[in-house]
Amino acid sequence: DTGVSQNPRHKITKRGQNVTFRCDPISEHNRLYWYRQTLGQGPEFLTYFQNEAQLEKSRLLSDRFSAERPKGSFSTLEIQRTEQGDSAMYLCASSLGWGGMNEQFFGPGTRLTVL
Amino acid sequence: DQQVKQNSPSLSVQEGRISILNCDYTNSMFDYFLWYKKYPAEGPTFLISISSIKDKNEDGRFTVFLNKSAKHLSLHIVPSQPGDSAVYFCAASAPGRDDKIIFGKGTRLHILP
Repeated sequence: DTGVSQNPRHKITKRGQNVTFRCDPISEHNRLYWYRQTLGQGPEFLTYFQNEAQLEKSRLLSDRFSAERPKGSFSTLEIQRTEQGDSAMYLCASSLGWGGMNEQFFGPGTRLTVL
Repeated sequence: DQQVKQNSPSLSVQEGRISILNCDYTNSMFDYFLWYKKYPAEGPTFLISISSIKDKNEDGRFTVFLNKSAKHLSLHIVPSQPGDSAVYFCAASAPGRDDKIIFGKGTRLHILP
């Protein structure tokens, strides 16, 4: 399977704990995106990488959130001191990048529940 | 401030008939529009797209129409099949280096037997 993969698929944690999610994009894709989706909403952009460079962060991404893509391949999204409002589906997507090919291919997501 | 609006949270259509999903947008800078389909417990799957230089794009049973003057687009599915039951997201992006996609809230389509 050469699609986008995300791990874990589900994460339940207690408020105040730190969590880390991983995303493995499609191998030839140089762009990687993180989105968050809450109930009844569409995915909301959080941040994106062009290779290993993080080029934009949404205002939704508070200081408790940090994302990395150290070698331009997989990416991690860490949430420190989780809050109940962080409960959501966290989606990763990848794309080839420029040239009008805006299609982003999404992974299955990581569902976070903060108790 | 919702830049991409899907005003119908749900839609029920008889199998074999045409499904029409609507979407409005407010940002005149958007130049690329996409539709994604989402099943439960899966990520969104790209369905079809259209550039702002076109007013129609067709792919099999799926056709997207764009009316730039009205800032409106629609997705037509004909004939509708049971496997089309899913949530459909309208999305748009503006020119720039990030290709960031702005999604609507989605419309849940139910295909009735």
